[in-house]
Amino acid sequence: EIVMTQSPATLSVSPGERATLSCRASRSISSNLAWYQQKPGQAPRLLIYAASTRATDIPARFSGSGSGTDFTLTISSLQSEDFAVYYCQQYKSWPPITFGPGTKVDAK
Amino acid sequence: EVQLLQSGGGLAQPGGSLRLSCAASGFIFSDYAMNWVRQAPGKGLEWVSVISASGGTTYYADSVRGRFTMSRDNAKNTLFLQMNGLRAEDTAVYYCAAKRVGDYPFDYWGQGTPVTVSS
Repeated sequence: EIVMTQSPATLSVSPGERATLSCRASRSISSNLAWYQQKPGQAPRLLIYAASTRATDIPARFSGSGSGTDFTLTISSLQSEDFAVYYCQQYKSWPPITFGPGTKVDAK
Repeated sequence: EVQLLQSGGGLAQPGGSLRLSCAASGFIFSDYAMNWVRQAPGKGLEWVSVISASGGTTYYADSVRGRFTMSRDNAKNTLFLQMNGLRAEDTAVYYCAAKRVGDYPFDYWGQGTPVTVSS
């Protein structure tokens, strides 16, 4: 099983600032990495897949990078609606498909 | 518009059973593998099971194997999760999620349905 880790657990950011979230896989997953955003009481929403491809209707302020074992999600200028929990997910080697524990982005 | 509309769930006693449903619309259901993902209160996302687009292959997380059974009816665009032998640790919101065949993530998610296992 591929174990996914994320850091930091919580990131406190002011609107307009840049947010950088990290995700690491326990072994290489090539670029088979997705990022999801989840707000309270809502289902997760796909943001990024193939490590760096934005999903449909995702704003350009969201970008992803990395390959192999280390990945980054960047929100270039945080908006108030971006406060949420962000999960990474590997879909290279499954079952099981595995998620990271999440990074909560909250207001500084 | 893509929709995954979930139903079922609720309260069950330990050792009891529940059946979840997920009705799909707005995309070609038979082209997608389908998954169940759960989220315990205040916790992260846990993958539960997957069924192939045809329905011929299923995989389960170790935590539910032998107790949960996933199935689909492509003629009715509906996914099911039969949950038997429920335990307190199965308490969670359960989401269905659609994945294109191949190396793709979960494109579409249902709204979630809560399952509570308690006496």
